[in-house]
Amino acid sequence: EDQVTQSPEALRLQEGESSSLNCSYTVSGLRGLFWYRQDPGKGPEFLFTLYSAGEEKEKERLKATLTKKESFLHITAPKPEDSATYLCAVQEQADKVIFGPGTSLSVIP
Amino acid sequence: EPEVTQTPSHQVTQMGQEVILRCVPISNHLYFYWYRQILGQKVEFLVSFYNNEISEKSEIFDDQFSVERPDGSNFTLKIRSTKLEDSAMYFCASKREGARQPQHFGDGTRLSIL
Repeated sequence: EDQVTQSPEALRLQEGESSSLNCSYTVSGLRGLFWYRQDPGKGPEFLFTLYSAGEEKEKERLKATLTKKESFLHITAPKPEDSATYLCAVQEQADKVIFGPGTSLSVIP
Repeated sequence: EPEVTQTPSHQVTQMGQEVILRCVPISNHLYFYWYRQILGQKVEFLVSFYNNEISEKSEIFDDQFSVERPDGSNFTLKIRSTKLEDSAMYFCASKREGARQPQHFGDGTRLSIL
């Protein structure tokens, strides 16, 4: 069964303390891996798309990387406004996207 | 920046009633989606819609559900004979033409079934 898992479930960081979030996936044919940010009561906000192993994307304090089995979202020197749930999603077939359970990130001032 | 808009933000309905959730996708997008998120759980795919027909649907999307694009701007999800377990956030998403385009989401409708 196709599956997307994320770890840790929750992460608490001090402001400025860098860390990484993990997304592991098992799909028969990856068409794309997406990272989204979700704030409470809001919809997922698109961050990055990755398509092939070795690919990297960056945006401000965030950097996403992809291997054949997993993706990492690296957060460098986070700020309190980076606090959110980060969702990984995998596209296997033409339209269907499978979401992971998310990592809830809290950045403490 | 253009965005997906959903109405209402919160819908309260008696069990057994029908409900219609509305979405206005981003104007130049051609692919449309509905997802749901039960409180504390994953975002789950329901259905995708392209060229005025369903292109894919999940096991959740049974005969109780239907989608429609009644005009050039709206995309709706109808849920008939609502059940308590239909209570969830329902998200609409849209994307441009192109296999590598990401889906962009609205802020959802919170559906509460009493």
